[in-house]
Amino acid sequence: GNSVTQMEGPVTLSEEAFLTINCTYTATGYPSLFWYVQYPGEGLQLLLKATKADDKGSNKGFEATYRKETTSFHLEKGSVQVSDSAVYFCALSDPNRDDKIIFGKGTRLHILP
Amino acid sequence: GAVVSQHPSRVICKSGTSVKIECRSLDFQATTMFWYRQFPKQSLMLMATSNEGSKATYEQGVEKDKFLINHASLTLSTLTVTSAHPEDSSFYICSATTGESSYNEQFFGPGTRLTVL
Repeated sequence: GNSVTQMEGPVTLSEEAFLTINCTYTATGYPSLFWYVQYPGEGLQLLLKATKADDKGSNKGFEATYRKETTSFHLEKGSVQVSDSAVYFCALSDPNRDDKIIFGKGTRLHILP
Repeated sequence: GAVVSQHPSRVICKSGTSVKIECRSLDFQATTMFWYRQFPKQSLMLMATSNEGSKATYEQGVEKDKFLINHASLTLSTLTVTSAHPEDSSFYICSATTGESSYNEQFFGPGTRLTVL
């Protein structure tokens, strides 16, 4: 079936460090891929997305590239800030259902000043 | 942007009682609303999908008589956990779509933490 696997947290980094959160997926067909972020006390927000192979999604300094050959969608940021502390969810859209999103377990990120 | 609220944010109840959770789209009309459940250190699991004025569609393994969903208007959906038991304790999250995005972007509420004693 369709599923998403992302690295377990928590991930703790110092401010201005380079960030990578790994995400791999299993899917039949051609899903769209997403990263959602959940800041403390708030709902999930769409951070970025990619709808086809080799697409790069980017937002707020974060990037992720849809790699079909490795079935991956790793999240990266060159220089993290304390305000990036949150839980990050990798997700895919079910290729058979436009409205269904399948989430990974989430990775909690702590950025130390 | 599109804002979704949930009420209450936390609720504690005794075993056997029923609990209602509200999900509202504050600045848009939601064509579809979704209810998710999240266990600690687990991913969000879709429970059901509801469209205004029609019966909810439940995911496999979700008891529709246990988790009653009412989508009475384009801005309000409610989830009622009937005869709650400790195993129903979880984090419940709703989301909504505007129907305007080409890929049906979902906007999420902040979640409701239910604890059943």
